[in-house]
Amino acid sequence: AQKITQTQPGMFVQEKEAVTLDCTYDTSDQSYGLFWYKQPSSGEMIFLIYQGSYDEQNATEGRYSLNFQKARKSANLVISASQLGDSAMYFCAMRPEGGGNKLTFGTGTQLKVEL
Amino acid sequence: DSGVTQTPKHLITATGQRVTLRCSPRSGDLSVYWYQQSLDQGLQFLIQYYNGEERAKGNILERFSAQQFPDLHSELNLSSLELGDSALYFCASSRRGAGEVTDTQYFGPGTRLTVL
Repeated sequence: AQKITQTQPGMFVQEKEAVTLDCTYDTSDQSYGLFWYKQPSSGEMIFLIYQGSYDEQNATEGRYSLNFQKARKSANLVISASQLGDSAMYFCAMRPEGGGNKLTFGTGTQLKVEL
Repeated sequence: DSGVTQTPKHLITATGQRVTLRCSPRSGDLSVYWYQQSLDQGLQFLIQYYNGEERAKGNILERFSAQQFPDLHSELNLSSLELGDSALYFCASSRRGAGEVTDTQYFGPGTRLTVL
């Protein structure tokens, strides 16, 4: 069975600072995709970044980067130069090759950006 | 804006009733997925349709059913509603949905269902 663990229920960061949101995963599949989504207080789920298990380089997308450590089964999201608009719930999700087409989500991390 | 639309945005109904949630996928996407987000269960996959056919099933109750129409929009039907069905229901869509790990799912804004 696939599992995603996000151990930080809440995080605070100062505006303009960088922050790392932790995500570890468990799967026996060799091929899988890892995703991060942002859920603001308004409720929608916004796709941020994707990392494939066979990708040799860490994914980056603007201020978002994914610190992928395959041996440790971790896929941490790094947000650089935090902005007030980054305050939201962040979810890590996985889609293994052998797990059908569903995304398995972690419990999320609530990020609060402060002035 | 993800390009996925869901209606209605909010729905308030009583126990025992039946409701229909509607979803239109992004242009060109063939797969539609339904997820339920509740405080106690988190985000749970319910069901996937690919080009009109059921492709994958998750923790979907027998009281719930879904379908995808020829124009690729999808409906999720919830019947004999219980208090515990109150949740945020998301529809997501992706280009393919045949198992490729790279196939990103884009979510709609969700329908918030309140069962009183």
